[in-house]
Amino acid sequence: GESVGLHLPTLSVQEGDNSIINCAYSNSASDYFIWYKQESGKGPQFIIDIRSNMDKRQGQRVTVLLNKTVKHLSLQIAATQPGDSAVYFCAENSLRAAGNKLTFGGGTRVLVKP
Amino acid sequence: GAVVSQHPSRVICKSGTSVKIECRSLDFQATTMFWYRQFPKQSLMLMATSNEGSKATYEQGVEKDKFLINHASLTLSTLTVTSAHPEDSSFYICSARERGRGFSTQYFGPGTRLLVL
Repeated sequence: GESVGLHLPTLSVQEGDNSIINCAYSNSASDYFIWYKQESGKGPQFIIDIRSNMDKRQGQRVTVLLNKTVKHLSLQIAATQPGDSAVYFCAENSLRAAGNKLTFGGGTRVLVKP
Repeated sequence: GAVVSQHPSRVICKSGTSVKIECRSLDFQATTMFWYRQFPKQSLMLMATSNEGSKATYEQGVEKDKFLINHASLTLSTLTVTSAHPEDSSFYICSARERGRGFSTQYFGPGTRLLVL
């Protein structure tokens, strides 16, 4: 049967407002961080990435901020649209880790209200 | 952009049967492919890393005899769930890292929903 899963934190945001999604990581050796968007029943879709030697990177309507001191990552979405409704995951990677693989965070569900 | 496909997109099978899921990189060569499992309202959990021409590396707690992975070519990896049971029902997602590109270039497939009755 279905296993009992974690309850995804949900961020409800009014259409047109800005969204901020947060992520805490634990591995201080992580070199590289990525934000993914996952719509229901689909695979993750790349949004934006940032390397550990940066603290901010901007894309189209999105900005990622990295605070290595407190091991915190955030994704800001400007002028949130209905199509932004999805689950957002942060992921981290370390070049020095065996296998060079991504580790995903727990995810945040974003609901955009019209 | 690079595309990763999975087949089938969803499958329903009886308990005890085996199910094969294919993951293909459509327009690039993938030296490394990854298989993830995702339960409802949970994150992606890496099951194994598959390198072309070599045995897969399984994550701790993942039974290699139950989840058989074959990376036969630079564009195809398969995951076979053997003797499937209801607790194997999940969303299985593959991703592929493009040959010759940086470690950041990892593309995800659309996922395969498996329901074991």
